[in-house]
Amino acid sequence: AQSVAQPEDQVNVAEGNPLTVKCTYSVSGNPYLFWYVQYPNRGLQFLLKYITGDNLVKGSYGFEAEFNKSQTSFHLKKPSALVSDSALYFCAVRPPSGGYQKVTFGIGTKLQVIP
Amino acid sequence: GAVVSQHPSWVICKSGTSVKIECRSLDFQATTMFWYRQFPKQSLMLMATSNEGSKATYEQGVEKDKFLINHASLTLSTLTVTSAHPEDSSFYICSARRETSTGELFFGEGSRLTVL
Repeated sequence: AQSVAQPEDQVNVAEGNPLTVKCTYSVSGNPYLFWYVQYPNRGLQFLLKYITGDNLVKGSYGFEAEFNKSQTSFHLKKPSALVSDSALYFCAVRPPSGGYQKVTFGIGTKLQVIP
Repeated sequence: GAVVSQHPSWVICKSGTSVKIECRSLDFQATTMFWYRQFPKQSLMLMATSNEGSKATYEQGVEKDKFLINHASLTLSTLTVTSAHPEDSSFYICSARRETSTGELFFGEGSRLTVL
């Protein structure tokens, strides 16, 4: 069965510092990987995805993520954090076959950017 | 990007009543929509897959008679929580897949249901 692990419940970072939100996954075959952000009482917003190709994926709001097949990781990064980046971040994985109902979400990591 | 709208954002109802939540894809057609439930400090739990023109596919453990799903058109899916009880209080989120997209899902803003 596929799974997604986000090992940190919360990440605190000072404004202007680089941030990393960790994600590891387990899936059969080549994964489709996603990052979403959720603000309080809102739905999820798509940030970026990895399907194939370049391991470094750039997404919305200056975020990027690096696909590492050997480590089965897809960590989310940003060079300089903003207070407005404070939110809940979800990593998600989907197998290459099986449909979108097979998307599995991580438990989420709360990012707190401190002014 | 594609827009998915959910309504209402907040709803409070009495125990025993039914509540309908709408999910609309505003600028694309969605043959498939998904309904999730999110508990505090937890991830999304897929409840069912809503298929336009056919019956929804429910995940194991989700009561289909409790959570009625209707996908009557290519832009609208509805979730009706029937005979709601306090334990049904939760944050419900829908998502839709655009046929021409290359992998991502587009989510509604979510609906917070409180059953008194």
